[in-house]
Amino acid sequence: EAGVTQFPSHSVIEKGQTVTLRCDPISGHDNLYWYRRVMGKEIKFLLHFVKESKQDESGMPNNRFLAERTGGTYSTLKVQPAELEDSGVYFCASSQDREGLYYGYTFGSGTRLTVV
Amino acid sequence: AQSVTQPDIHITVSEGASLELRCNYSYGATPYLFWYVQSPGQGLQLLLKYFSGDTLVQGIKGFEAEFKRSQSSFNLRKPSVHWSDAAEYFCAVGRYSSASKIIFGSGTRLSIRP
Repeated sequence: EAGVTQFPSHSVIEKGQTVTLRCDPISGHDNLYWYRRVMGKEIKFLLHFVKESKQDESGMPNNRFLAERTGGTYSTLKVQPAELEDSGVYFCASSQDREGLYYGYTFGSGTRLTVV
Repeated sequence: AQSVTQPDIHITVSEGASLELRCNYSYGATPYLFWYVQSPGQGLQLLLKYFSGDTLVQGIKGFEAEFKRSQSSFNLRKPSVHWSDAAEYFCAVGRYSSASKIIFGSGTRLSIRP
């Protein structure tokens, strides 16, 4: 079984540019989550998809962040325009169960975003 | 507010020594508790989880954790660490609700002294 795949693994962009992160969850996992870790702090929830629908996007920092999950398969997270404080590691995870509590999450390796 | 606290940012232990990583949570109702590990260049991997029942749970790689409701703690332990255990460890908590999600602590980095 293939795991959760994220790319790119690293991205360095200038302030004001646009970056799109991609996540391919485990096949058959309806639930997909985005998290972010900034500078050694806690891993913070961004949003949760159930299939193609946004179940909870309470963690999205502001309207510069746009997440999509076309057809309920892969997901993209676009940051436009990027600001310095957006730097961090963006993790994607998927789960078999809705809440991710019974089976836990399977995480990708993350995308390290650096905004300069 | 729901929260997870890992009071130790960085711990160094000698190879072969015992290990305990601390985790305290504030979550109201009966929580679902997790420990994840992140090795360099890897994603987070689930070590173990607790839902109910026996408060001492066994996980992968020889780790165990004990749920203590009275102390709101879920500490991770290993009797004898190996150099390959050097990584960052995250405690996490969740509960069933209309907007379920897992909340993570800030992590504890473990270094192993040869």
